[in-house]
Amino acid sequence: EIVLTQSPGTLSLSPGERASLFCRASQTISSSYLAWYQQKPGQAPRLLIYGASNRATDIPDRFSGSGSGPDFTLTISRVEPEDFAVYYCQQYGSSPYTFGQGTKLEIK
Amino acid sequence: QVQLQQSGPGLVKPSQTLSLTCAISGDSVSSNSVAWNWFRQSPSRGLEWLGRTYYRSKWYNDYAVSVKSRITINPDTSKNQFSLQLNSVTPEDTAVYYCAREHSDRLRDYGMDVWGQGTTVTVSS
Repeated sequence: EIVLTQSPGTLSLSPGERASLFCRASQTISSSYLAWYQQKPGQAPRLLIYGASNRATDIPDRFSGSGSGPDFTLTISRVEPEDFAVYYCQQYGSSPYTFGQGTKLEIK
Repeated sequence: QVQLQQSGPGLVKPSQTLSLTCAISGDSVSSNSVAWNWFRQSPSRGLEWLGRTYYRSKWYNDYAVSVKSRITINPDTSKNQFSLQLNSVTPEDTAVYYCAREHSDRLRDYGMDVWGQGTTVTVSS
């Protein structure tokens, strides 16, 4: 099973600042099968990025993904008030699909 | 627009069977470019993939080892939906359960792009 480790656990920022969230896999994975999700309280996860760097439908361009091998990054260029949430990375290239433990983006 | 609507009981007794259904609109359960997944989320286990069903000339299933002996995911082509059954539940199965679509084509896999609304299931007597 591929273990995904996200850092930091919590990120405290002010609106307008840049956010960088990290995801490290326990073994090399194909970037084609790395996704990022946003989850707000009481809601289902929402797909932001698939294939490590491709924005999903209707996702603003302030969200971008990068990385390869074991290390991946989700960047929010300028954090908006609606972006404060928990973010998860997921690998879906090999069974079982696995998620990181999440990074909480909170208002500073 | 693809939508998934979950239904099923929110309370299940220990040792009984948890049963949930995910009704699909805007897509077909038999499409050969999708897989239909079940996940759950709890404070102790985080987001956990349980399994999936998909059609590629015939039906396939793929289950997480942690629940493999207790889980069944079935498509229902007559109602365009799929279901989750988890047998012999314990309080550790208490979680929010989600269904989700995984869409792919010859070029790429687009991830879990559509999710159900979630069902909170409590296992308690």
